[in-house]
Amino acid sequence: KQEVTQIPAALSVPEGENLVLNCSFTDSAIYNLQWFRQDPGKGLTSLLLIQSSQREQTSGRLNASLDKSSGRSTLYIAASQPGDSATYLCAVRRIQGAQKLVFGQGTRLTINP
Amino acid sequence: KAGVTQTPRYLIKTRGQQVTLSCSPISGHRSVSWYQQTPGQGLQFLFEYFSETQRNKGNFPGRFSGRQFSNSRSEMNVSTLELGDSALYLCASSLDWGNTEAFFGQGTRLTVV
Repeated sequence: KQEVTQIPAALSVPEGENLVLNCSFTDSAIYNLQWFRQDPGKGLTSLLLIQSSQREQTSGRLNASLDKSSGRSTLYIAASQPGDSATYLCAVRRIQGAQKLVFGQGTRLTINP
Repeated sequence: KAGVTQTPRYLIKTRGQQVTLSCSPISGHRSVSWYQQTPGQGLQFLFEYFSETQRNKGNFPGRFSGRQFSNSRSEMNVSTLELGDSALYLCASSLDWGNTEAFFGQGTRLTVV
């Protein structure tokens, strides 16, 4: 059974800092891993998709890495801004069985001005 | 290009009633999945459809059902509503089956009273 864990559950940092969010998963048989952002009461916004054969993906101030063998991914946010405040979720798409996304519980990020 | 559209955005229902939620995927996308999000359980997989066929179903009672139409639009139905069904229901759209990126709608907030 695939399990996804995100640490920390909550993080508060001052504006301008660089930060790293962590995601770990137990089964390396995945198609891909996605990072999402969720604002309160809203849907999920896809930030980055990393295929299982890739090591990292970048979009603007965001960089996500994937180490499939160790079951880990990190999301690096550079020069954080108050608008980055949201809950960040990682999800893996399994190869076996249901092609569903398995989500972590998320990291609630607060950027203080 | 329009995103994933879920209707209605908000619903208030009474215990015992039934409800139907709708999801229109991104144009050209053939795969639709549904997830339930609650504060205690996080995001849990309900079911997934591809080309009008239900491919997999999550661990939910038979009161939860769904279908997909020939234009890829999908509906989910919950019968005999219970208080515990109160949640944000999210629909995800993907271009194809398997190794593809998922895009989410804004969700339908269901409150059962």
